[in-house]
Amino acid sequence: QVQLVESGGGVVQPGRSLRLSCAASGFTFSIFGMHWVRQAPGKGLEWVAVIWYDSSNKYYADSVKGRFTISRDNSKKTLFLQMNSLRAEDTAVYFCARQVGETFYFDYWGQGTLVTVSS
Amino acid sequence: QSALTQPASVSGSPGQSITISCTGTSSDVGGYNYVSWYQQHPHKAPKLMIYDVSNRPSGVSNRFSGSKSGNTASLTISGLQAEDEADYYCSSYTRSSTLWVFGGGTKLTVL
Repeated sequence: QVQLVESGGGVVQPGRSLRLSCAASGFTFSIFGMHWVRQAPGKGLEWVAVIWYDSSNKYYADSVKGRFTISRDNSKKTLFLQMNSLRAEDTAVYFCARQVGETFYFDYWGQGTLVTVSS
Repeated sequence: QSALTQPASVSGSPGQSITISCTGTSSDVGGYNYVSWYQQHPHKAPKLMIYDVSNRPSGVSNRFSGSKSGNTASLTISGLQAEDEADYYCSSYTRSSTLWVFGGGTKLTVL
């Protein structure tokens, strides 16, 4: 069955960096676009970034553009999010999610990993 | 402030029907048939319930249905059950620089 397992979250000081991972299993990772979506404590969902199946295109929310970088390693079936210059407002649970082909929805989500930016 | 507007809460009794609205603009909800809906139970991952406005993924109950009129999409849940109590989020593709937008979420309470 499809599984997405995020890791790498934790407590980090403002201005520092953190790298999240999302390990995929149960499907052919290399043919699916992948996203990061976050949810601040007690708040709604916010789309963060997407990467095409072959890494040919990457897009970011305005709120993270220039600070976050999405990448993937298809040989290791893993998605990454490199987060630099972290701010308090980046505190959230970060979910990875799968996109099917040229559709515009997320059919499977991971359980999320919590990132807390605090001094 | 979320890009799409949803009511903060709705409620209904078991067996009743409820509808959750999701209002956007012609740049997102009104401009594309790419509205999706997600159910999220506390501390759980979101689950896809409706995609492309009105399509149900395999395994989702036919008590869930979606529609759209102009810039407003709607999720209707009929025959409410206790297990439907959760947060519901709408999402749409958008031609703005942020490619996907979500609503602020609606808390459904089954009385």
